[in-house]
Amino acid sequence: EVQLVVSGGGSVQPGGSLSLSCTASGFTLSHFWMSWVRQAPGAGLEWVANINNDGSEKHYVDSVKGRFSISRDNAGNSLYLQMNNLRVADTAVYYCARDDWGPAVYGGQGTLVIVSS
Amino acid sequence: DVVLTQSPLSLPVTLGQPASISCRSSQSLVYRDGNTYLSWFQQRPGQSPRRLIYKVSNRDSGVPDRFSGSGSGTDFTLKISRVEAEDAGVYYCMQGSHWPPWTFGQGTKVEIK
Repeated sequence: EVQLVVSGGGSVQPGGSLSLSCTASGFTLSHFWMSWVRQAPGAGLEWVANINNDGSEKHYVDSVKGRFSISRDNAGNSLYLQMNNLRVADTAVYYCARDDWGPAVYGGQGTLVIVSS
Repeated sequence: DVVLTQSPLSLPVTLGQPASISCRSSQSLVYRDGNTYLSWFQQRPGQSPRRLIYKVSNRDSGVPDRFSGSGSGTDFTLKISRVEAEDAGVYYCMQGSHWPPWTFGQGTKVEIK
């Protein structure tokens, strides 16, 4: 069974930083692209970033370019999202997902990030 | 960016009755390999999303056969043949043909009357 356990959320002031981690199990991480997807309170799903199998190709939604950085450690079965210069609009539940022509398998609960003064 | 427009945004349904959700794309979702990467997701209250359908009409493992997907080009439909209580939640379409970004529809809330 695919499991994706996300950690690292919390509350931070605007301009602050947070780092999210996603620990994968039940499959071989290195075989898949991986994504971060977020959901603001009461809102829909938004793809945030993804990364290819070996970490050499990364993509970001325009609103986070230059502020967020996605990375992975295949040997450690982990995916990361470094979030800098956070804005109120970044407040959301962040999910980690295994890709299949886009974020496809979420495998667990997300983590809540609150950006507020 | 590809914009996906779902309708209706709210869908009250009686148990045992059919339900249908539309997803229209701002451009054709046929990819250069000939496939159409349009998926449907279900998100029950308090849960993470679960993919039901991929490449327009293929059901994921474990998805009941009352769920079906159809369509082509820019117009797609998710149908539930007979709604059950566990089907309550929000349904999203998502495209993976023109990326980045991968984009979702706004969501359709299915509620049981």
